[in-house]
Amino acid sequence: DGGITQSPKYLFRKEGQNVTLSCEQNLNHDAMYWYRQDPGQGLRLIYYSQIVNDFQKGDIAEGYSVSREKKESFPLTVTSAQKNPTAFYLCASSIAGVKGDTQYFGPGTRLTVL
Amino acid sequence: AQRVTQPEKLLSVFKGAPVELKCNYSYSGSPELFWYVQYSRQRLQLLLRHISRESIKGFTADLNKGETSFHLKKPFAQEEDSAMYYCAFPPPHASGGSYIPTFGRGTSLIVHP
Repeated sequence: DGGITQSPKYLFRKEGQNVTLSCEQNLNHDAMYWYRQDPGQGLRLIYYSQIVNDFQKGDIAEGYSVSREKKESFPLTVTSAQKNPTAFYLCASSIAGVKGDTQYFGPGTRLTVL
Repeated sequence: AQRVTQPEKLLSVFKGAPVELKCNYSYSGSPELFWYVQYSRQRLQLLLRHISRESIKGFTADLNKGETSFHLKKPFAQEEDSAMYYCAFPPPHASGGSYIPTFGRGTSLIVHP
């Protein structure tokens, strides 16, 4: 464990509010990723970033936004436009975002919309 | 489109029985495939990757290009093997040649005493 951290562990949000999930890594990895994990659906990619100040949409980017101002940080904002935000969110990083890269995962944040 | 399929949501076996978790892929090129595991209350972590041809915790996985499969096997299951297993596949990205992993839906393995 260690190397990639997510906070908070649990997050509660009222409908209509934006919330930001934190992801930090000290592995000196260039690539970072955000996934959403739902029962029976596996991991679905939200956004990824291969380098600072650049990021790309994944399969389910609608209603989410990210920034990558620093190499070690990749925060995810869940906006009010996300229709079904209650889920478990996983952040990951890898060395260079190239074929064969192993991903290292954070402990996750469980978001519940009240 | 490139994708990975895990047909079983749940696999339930008794301790000492052989285990095979299925993974099939669709990809026109030469794939790089992984198995990730998530034990209860632990992080998702790499179990093994086919290019390493290694055995981790007694598990092996062979890439079968003819059947487009990468099944995970263990001859004798242990209770501590109970976990969620994901087959993962990095398809080539559309721009620039970088690779973004794609995960299957996962198989929950339960090993009974």
